[in-house]
Amino acid sequence: DQQVKQNSPSLSVQEGRISILNCDYTNSMFDYFLWYKKYPAEGPTFLISISSIKDKNEDGRFTVFLNKSAKHLSLHIVPSQPGDSAVYFCAAIPESSGSARQLTFGSGTQLTVLP
Amino acid sequence: EPEVTQTPSHQVTQMGQEVILRCVPISNHLYFYWYRQILGQKVEFLVSFYNNEISEKSEIFDDQFSVERPDGSNFTLKIRSTKLEDSAMYFCASSSGPYNGYTFGSGTRLTVV
Repeated sequence: DQQVKQNSPSLSVQEGRISILNCDYTNSMFDYFLWYKKYPAEGPTFLISISSIKDKNEDGRFTVFLNKSAKHLSLHIVPSQPGDSAVYFCAAIPESSGSARQLTFGSGTQLTVLP
Repeated sequence: EPEVTQTPSHQVTQMGQEVILRCVPISNHLYFYWYRQILGQKVEFLVSFYNNEISEKSEIFDDQFSVERPDGSNFTLKIRSTKLEDSAMYFCASSSGPYNGYTFGSGTRLTVV
């Protein structure tokens, strides 16, 4: 049951260029989306999020775009740096009456930024 | 920067044994979670905890699993009788609100032999 899909397992980008990581979802109940970065032997680190009422959110070099009609979001990193090399996970939270809401993760994309 | 601390970093246990994974969430956070990642697979939700009770749990979180917040700082995950397929990285997370970016710990690698 792949409610959150990251179809590219890996991406290589030259330092200084733009990295674009993509994510698709199928559950229309998702109303909040997050991106996490993960290094080996560490837990996921929160990067940036977006509510379903917005179509763009920017934080420094990171911008997340949401296209609700296409059920698609993307993370742009500009400019990419070698330290950005990590696995990037897209995650989503459903609207729910529950007070502590679960994240549904995608399978991740390994980003490699080449010097 | 505040951290979520997990201990131990690696635990090896025999099949059928009980294990307790420990977590110290960020002190002013109110929402607590356990996730796991089997090698090569997605990070999967196990359970969320708020106001001293389970808020949500997944199908994975069956009767062999339990969580506890025994005092004001610790949050534990117990697996009563471990199976080989319980081998995974277990991540604890906490957040100050249901929509806030969760802070994850570095994980406990559980190996069941």
